Amino acid sequence: EIVLTQSPATLSLSPGERATLSCRASQSVRTYLTWYQQKPGQAPRLLTYDASNRATGIPSRFSGSGSGTDFTLTISSLEPEDFAVYFCQQRINWPLTFGGGTKVEIK
Amino acid sequence: EVQLLESGGGLVQPGGSLRLSCAASGFTFSSYAMSWVRLAPGKGLEWVSSVSGSGGDTYYADSVRGRFTISRDNSKNTLWLQMNSLRAEDTAVYYCAKGRAAYSSSELDFWGQGTLVTVSS
Repeated sequence: EIVLTQSPATLSLSPGERATLSCRASQSVRTYLTWYQQKPGQAPRLLTYDASNRATGIPSRFSGSGSGTDFTLTISSLEPEDFAVYFCQQRINWPLTFGGGTKVEIK
Repeated sequence: EVQLLESGGGLVQPGGSLRLSCAASGFTFSSYAMSWVRLAPGKGLEWVSSVSGSGGDTYYADSVRGRFTISRDNSKNTLWLQMNSLRAEDTAVYYCAKGRAAYSSSELDFWGQGTLVTVSS
């Protein structure tokens, strides 16, 4: 099973700041890496897929990058609605696995 | 508009069974893989199971294989998850989710609001 390790666990930032979230895979997932956002009491929302493709309707301030084992989700300038938990997920191998999540909180 | 509506959650004793349903609308159901993903209290997302668009291919997490069964009826636009031999660690909100593309391992672009399963005596 591919293990995804996200860091940091919590990121404390102010609106307008840049957020950089990391996801590291225990083995290469090539570019089959997805990012989701989840807010309390809500369903997850697809942000990016295949490492760097933004999903339909996702603002351009969200960008994904990376390949192999190291991936990054960048939020260029945090809006109030961006404070949430972010999960990465790989789909190169079964079982599909998620990272443990990074909580982006207001500083 | 894509809609996924889960039902069937509730309180069940350890060893019991539940059947979750997901009613889909707003897209050509048979063209997309579907999945179940759960979120346990205080934990992260965990993929549970996926099924191909035709229903012919199914995939399970090791933690549920042999206890849970995923199925779909494309004529009814409905996805199910039959859960047997339930354990306390199966307690979670269960989400039904649609694949973005046709392949079974596709990223999940639409999610239902979830149904809570609580396994407790």
